[in-house]
Amino acid sequence: DAGVIQSPRHEVTEMGQEVTLRCKPISGHDYLFWYRQTMMRGLELLIYFNNNVPIDDSGMPEDRFSAKMPNASFSTLKIQPSEPRDSAVYFCGTTGRGEQFFGPGTRLTVL
Amino acid sequence: AQKVTQAQTEISVVEKEDVTLDCVYETRDTTYYLFWYKQPPSGELVFLIRRNSFDEQNEISGRYSWNFQKSTSSFNFTITASQVVDSAVYFCAPREGNEKLTFGTGTRLTIIP
Repeated sequence: DAGVIQSPRHEVTEMGQEVTLRCKPISGHDYLFWYRQTMMRGLELLIYFNNNVPIDDSGMPEDRFSAKMPNASFSTLKIQPSEPRDSAVYFCGTTGRGEQFFGPGTRLTVL
Repeated sequence: AQKVTQAQTEISVVEKEDVTLDCVYETRDTTYYLFWYKQPPSGELVFLIRRNSFDEQNEISGRYSWNFQKSTSSFNFTITASQVVDSAVYFCAPREGNEKLTFGTGTRLTIIP
């Protein structure tokens, strides 16, 4: 298995633009998580899905953030409009056999 | 709600020394899991170990070992004969039944050649 795949690996955009981050989970893993890592707040959970259904989105910072999982093999995290404070590394993770694996992350820079 | 404390912000040791990273957690659940992850300078999160709350046996994997003590709510991680490649940030993360990981603030370990 290729592991959790995230794209793009790096994204630089200007304030106000829409940003879409993508995640392909490990096949057969039924939980999918989106985390954000910043120097100030560390690693924080934004939202997670179970069998494609959002279970807990209490970590989503505000309405500018939205996440979808239209099928078992794909999820997106969208920020619209983006702001400089959204600059962070965004990790997608999936759970299988009790272990939780993460993708390589997307480094987002909002200018 | 869970809480995890990694009191050591940064540690530096000379290569080949042993080093222990501390992790103390708080949880009301009787059933939970504890994880350790490594984040090398390249940035990815590497899964190291998962232990459940019913298994207090220490675990050893090569130069890595973990000491889980439920009585003190600690899950410490020891690297024996450290190597430069061990330089990374290490995160402890408890997980309760809802599958959510709560990450500690991490310990930055630097191995000095």
